[in-house]
Amino acid sequence: QKEVEQDPGPLSVPEGAIVSLNCTYSNSAFQYFMWYRQYSRKGPELLMYTYSSGNKEDGRFTAQVDKSSKYISLFIRDSQPSDSATYLCAISYNFNKFYFGSGTKLNVKP
Amino acid sequence: DGGITQSPKYLFRKEGQNVTLSCEQNLNHDAMYWYRQDPGQGLRLIYYSQIVNDFQKGDIAEGYSVSREKKESFPLTVTSAQKNPTAFYLCASQGQENTGELFFGEGSRLTVL
Repeated sequence: QKEVEQDPGPLSVPEGAIVSLNCTYSNSAFQYFMWYRQYSRKGPELLMYTYSSGNKEDGRFTAQVDKSSKYISLFIRDSQPSDSATYLCAISYNFNKFYFGSGTKLNVKP
Repeated sequence: DGGITQSPKYLFRKEGQNVTLSCEQNLNHDAMYWYRQDPGQGLRLIYYSQIVNDFQKGDIAEGYSVSREKKESFPLTVTSAQKNPTAFYLCASQGQENTGELFFGEGSRLTVL
């Protein structure tokens, strides 16, 4: 069983829509949860990270962790064409090793 | 500007040849990582190094080798023993701030002909 599973999409939405991206993970011992954004032919860049359960908001982005369900989500409000990218979730026990989801490709249509 | 520099960006190799991918960072980070990215599989860890002159195998180390002689450099050699080397290779470094942030280079795309 993979440590973290992510729906690959692709996901296509109109501009202004609310986007929900999700991952599930296997081991309740994971404590750190991250979302990376990767534009085509580029390296990923960190969007947000959260520790333990709860929500974290940063502008149009909200990261949510539900440890009881082993489920993490990234919500994008008022999506823009510039948000079109692949979004990767990542989890870690202690920041020494990271496990990445397969990525969800998002396309926001103008 | 501070960051991670990977070279070459694109590389073609004949079967049976070894090839070395360069990764240099000027962020003064101790930890460095090599990942492989294939469509639909996400990032898989090849090797990582927490400190100079020390490195550990990741989940898919077979057919790869690394060295860490200098803090700023972590080259990856893809050997002829790697059965399916065509992929996008990403190098990353991590600071000590414990924010979960990996700083990635722009990647090297290797194609075996």
